[in-house]
Amino acid sequence: NAGVTQTPKFRILKIGQSMTLQCTQDMNHNYMYWYRQDPGMGLKLIYYSVGAGITDKGEVPNGYNVSRSTTEDFPLRLELAAPSQTSVYFCASRGASLTDTQYFGPGTRLTVL
Amino acid sequence: TQLLEQSPQFLSIQEGENLTVYCNSSSVFSSLQWYRQEPGEGPVLLVTVVTGGEVKKLKRLTFQFGDARKDSSLHITAAQPGDTGLYLCAGNNAGNNRKLIWGLGTSLAVNP
Repeated sequence: NAGVTQTPKFRILKIGQSMTLQCTQDMNHNYMYWYRQDPGMGLKLIYYSVGAGITDKGEVPNGYNVSRSTTEDFPLRLELAAPSQTSVYFCASRGASLTDTQYFGPGTRLTVL
Repeated sequence: TQLLEQSPQFLSIQEGENLTVYCNSSSVFSSLQWYRQEPGEGPVLLVTVVTGGEVKKLKRLTFQFGDARKDSSLHITAAQPGDTGLYLCAGNNAGNNRKLIWGLGTSLAVNP
């Protein structure tokens, strides 16, 4: 059981470049999330999804886009990368119950120069 | 807007000491979870508390949910270097179960 997988693990982008961070879960979870975590800080929610075809903005959505065409996949798209987007990005998923565990991927460390 | 405040933000202690981390809110939560995040990894669930006044123990870690379900604490007895990490609390509300409300975390360093 792989849980939540993310690719790539590391990436360096130049200002203005674009990229897609991939996230896949094999637990059949309806709820999926993208967070960013700056050094020494907590988690900030970028976007989330409660099922295929349904996405919603979190606290810090500007500069990002998502799609959810299947239950398993929830890619995060960065358009026109900026230095402020340098961060560690975590994808997570969980079931719909109030007490369900939120499972996190290993993270993608992104640097924008 | 529901908020969870964690304190202290940073804590550096010697091996063998005891410590308590707090997670407070002015809002009521249906459940509250504690996660631990080690450097370079994603957070991992430690415990979920649901009932007001509930106490759960996980080896040397004791978790308590406040009677009014607005606050929680994590107590570590005889801390060890392996306890080092970022401790995050997260609240869930039956009125909006779609996303957790996260505290900013307590960064704990246990020195040998």
